[in-house]
Amino acid sequence: EVQLVESGGGLVQPGESLRLSCAASGFTFSTYWMSWVRQAPGKGLEWVANIKQAGVDKFHVDSVKGRFTISRDNAKNSLFLQMNSLRDEDTAVYYCVRGGRNGTFDYWGQGTLVTVSS
Amino acid sequence: EIVLTQSPDTLSLSPGERVTLSCRASQSVSSSYLTWYQQKPGLAPRLLIYGASSRATGIPDRFSGSGSGTDFTLTISRLEPEDFAVYYCQQYDTSSQYTFGQGTKLEIK
Repeated sequence: EVQLVESGGGLVQPGESLRLSCAASGFTFSTYWMSWVRQAPGKGLEWVANIKQAGVDKFHVDSVKGRFTISRDNAKNSLFLQMNSLRDEDTAVYYCVRGGRNGTFDYWGQGTLVTVSS
Repeated sequence: EIVLTQSPDTLSLSPGERVTLSCRASQSVSSSYLTWYQQKPGLAPRLLIYGASSRATGIPDRFSGSGSGTDFTLTISRLEPEDFAVYYCQQYDTSSQYTFGQGTKLEIK
């Protein structure tokens, strides 16, 4: 059974940093693209970043470029999101997501809440 | 960036009815990369339809997708009580960017 379990969310002040982690199991992690998708309270879904299998090719949405960095450790079946210079508008539930066929997100974690507030 | 606009924002219907949700793109989207998700309150989204018209594993055949170019639809042939949720379309483009529509909320009348 595919499982994605996020951790690392919490309450931080604007300008601070946070590192999210995602522990993957139930599939061969190193053979899949992985992504982070977020959802602000009461709002829709926004793709944040993704990373190819080897961890070299990475893509980020414009609103987080230069502040967030996605990475992975295939030996530990783990995905990360380093978030620096956090802003109020980064407040959201952050989902760890597996990249499926045809540019889909086929498995989702339960999400971890990041709240940026002074 | 390709913008996806879903309509309507909210639909009020009764179980047993047929419903069609719309997703319109600001520029042409490859049908191979148009996806639909269902999200219930407090839960993560669930993959419904990929490649514009293919059902994901375990999705009932009352759900169907169609469309091409800039206009795509999700149809639920006969609404079940568990189908009342928010539905999102999503696209993936050749610059490795993903965008979602704003969602359509399907509520019980």
